[in-house]
Amino acid sequence: DAKTTQPTSMDCAEGRAANLPCNHSTISGNEYVYWYRQIHSQGPQYIIHGLKNNETNEMASLIITEDRKSSTLILPHATLRDTAVYYCIVSMDTGRRALTFGSGTRLQVQP
Amino acid sequence: GAVVSQHPSRVICKSGTSVKIECRSLDFQATTMFWYRQFPKQSLMLMATSNEGSKATYEQGVEKDKFLINHASLTLSTLTVTSAHPEDSSFYICSVGEPNQPQHFGDGTRLSIL
Repeated sequence: DAKTTQPTSMDCAEGRAANLPCNHSTISGNEYVYWYRQIHSQGPQYIIHGLKNNETNEMASLIITEDRKSSTLILPHATLRDTAVYYCIVSMDTGRRALTFGSGTRLQVQP
Repeated sequence: GAVVSQHPSRVICKSGTSVKIECRSLDFQATTMFWYRQFPKQSLMLMATSNEGSKATYEQGVEKDKFLINHASLTLSTLTVTSAHPEDSSFYICSVGEPNQPQHFGDGTRLSIL
């Protein structure tokens, strides 16, 4: 699986949009971009994934650049409960393959 | 609702005890489940891949005789930490994958060996 690079930490004000970047310059054509988050002392939670088109669900939006070398996860209105470590993972079908977790981005939402 | 149920959520036991952790797939039959371990302030590391009806596949450095995995049915995989010692204290997490679907994780088991 392709390697990803994320900032170590970010802060965001409550109610504002949180934009979490991820670089994956070695992504291959059949690899998806997945985002998970891990709230303290819990298992990772799936957020969203995409191949090349932008995606949106009830939790977040995923913007993937045209060359697919980077992406941004957007939490439109961050709340204190969004404080977590966010992992960007590039992989083919994750239903069949274990995930490789990097260090992720620690997002701290400030009141 | 939850896709994966993991029990127990926390275990505290004496050194030398064996501990069993259960991981259940609630929504679908899972031929493959994954077991991860997470030490404090570190990221998740894959320990083994559990295959229904066959032997588990262990990652390099993970002792298969110490971490026994049984995947006897399509909805249940168990991880038994045999003769646990303080260095085995960690956060153990299972996940379930279905082809062409995102992988889903249990809530984890925090194991503390005294």
